[in-house]
Amino acid sequence: GDSVTQMEGPVTLSEEAFLTINCTYTATGYPSLFWYVQYPGEGLQLLLKATKADDKGSNKGFEATYRKETTSFHLEKGSVQVSDSAVYFCALTSDSGGGADGLTFGKGTHLIIQP
Amino acid sequence: DAGVIQSPRHEVTEMGQEVTLRCKPISGHNSLFWYRQTMMRGLELLIYFNNNVPIDDSGMPEDRFSAKMPNASFSTLKIQPSEPRDSAVYFCASSPSSGLPDTQYFGPGTRLTVL
Repeated sequence: GDSVTQMEGPVTLSEEAFLTINCTYTATGYPSLFWYVQYPGEGLQLLLKATKADDKGSNKGFEATYRKETTSFHLEKGSVQVSDSAVYFCALTSDSGGGADGLTFGKGTHLIIQP
Repeated sequence: DAGVIQSPRHEVTEMGQEVTLRCKPISGHNSLFWYRQTMMRGLELLIYFNNNVPIDDSGMPEDRFSAKMPNASFSTLKIQPSEPRDSAVYFCASSPSSGLPDTQYFGPGTRLTVL
């Protein structure tokens, strides 16, 4: 079945550091890929997405590129802020042809940014 | 729009009791998903509906769990009888499209504690 693997952390960085959170996936067909963010005590919010190979999703300074050849969707940000501290989830959904499907999530990466 | 609404936000109950979690999706969305989040297992898809019809309930842990969607604006997840291992945060999410992989919008979650 489908699966997502991501570094679990916690990942601790200083403010203005460069961020990379690795994500690789296994899926049948041509999945859509997502990064969701969860702030303490809240639900998940979509951060960015990509629906086909070589697409780049971007939002709030974060970006990730859909790499089919390496089955990866790594999240990057050039300069992190304390407000970026949260748990980040990589996820995929496969187009089964039968309509919307549920998301398969990675375990989540807890990011801590220190001032 | 008010977003996905879940109730209650917190539920504490005793083992053996019936628990009902409620969800109101975003108006106009065609797909609804129930997820469970635990430290051990991360985020897991329990069941999802397209146009009020259950499509895949393979993630429902056992017969004690049931879900219904009587109309486009309401869904319930019921656990009867509840057990301590059901303690988790339960998220409801909705999506605007039942024909393509699309962004899912999450509610704030219900934190369930079974004593």
